[in-house]
Amino acid sequence: DVKVTQSSRYLVKRTGEKVFLECVQDMDHENMFWYRQDPGLGLRLIYFSYDVKMKEKGDIPEGYSVSREKKERFSLILESASTNQTSMYLCASRGVPETQYFGPGTRLLVL
Amino acid sequence: AQSVTQLDSHVSVSEGTPVLLRCNYSSSYSPSLFWYVQHPNKGLQLLLKYTSAATLVKGINGFEAEFKKSETSFHLTKPSAHMSDAAEYFCVVSMYSSASKIIFGSGTRLSIRP
Repeated sequence: DVKVTQSSRYLVKRTGEKVFLECVQDMDHENMFWYRQDPGLGLRLIYFSYDVKMKEKGDIPEGYSVSREKKERFSLILESASTNQTSMYLCASRGVPETQYFGPGTRLLVL
Repeated sequence: AQSVTQLDSHVSVSEGTPVLLRCNYSSSYSPSLFWYVQHPNKGLQLLLKYTSAATLVKGINGFEAEFKKSETSFHLTKPSAHMSDAAEYFCVVSMYSSASKIIFGSGTRLSIRP
């Protein structure tokens, strides 16, 4: 059965903290994604990785970075968290043909 | 250019009655189309997908969708709504070549009246 897991379901951080969100997939997929979801704005792509150590900016990469050292793991990093990064963060992986599989999401609150 | 429009932001039906969630798309190429469901505080779960095979696609939980190229539509239906169907539903258009060509609709919130 397809599985995408995210390291935390809920996180509370303070402004200025460095935050790591981790995502792991067990399907040997090459493509992995990070989205954020906000009311009224839908899902917005932050970063995309198409292979180990390969990444591509999405629609809203500012304030975020990513790391993909191993195929199964894709990390989203908030270098210095700000209150406007309070959101639901969704990780997905994609295989062939084209189907994305999503993790359960991490709800991040930045105080 | 690709786009996807979910025509209703909120749909409310009575339990046991049919469900229709509407989705129109625009694509320069033959797209793949998906419907996902999201229950509160959960991730997105794949309901069904169209990838240029049969135009009537059956998914999980009794949902199905029909790809109509002439109408550029991919509406989601279910003959009889259940209380557990209450959730947010997303229509998605995808071209495999690039992540930037995965387009999510704005979502339709489905409410079920007892």
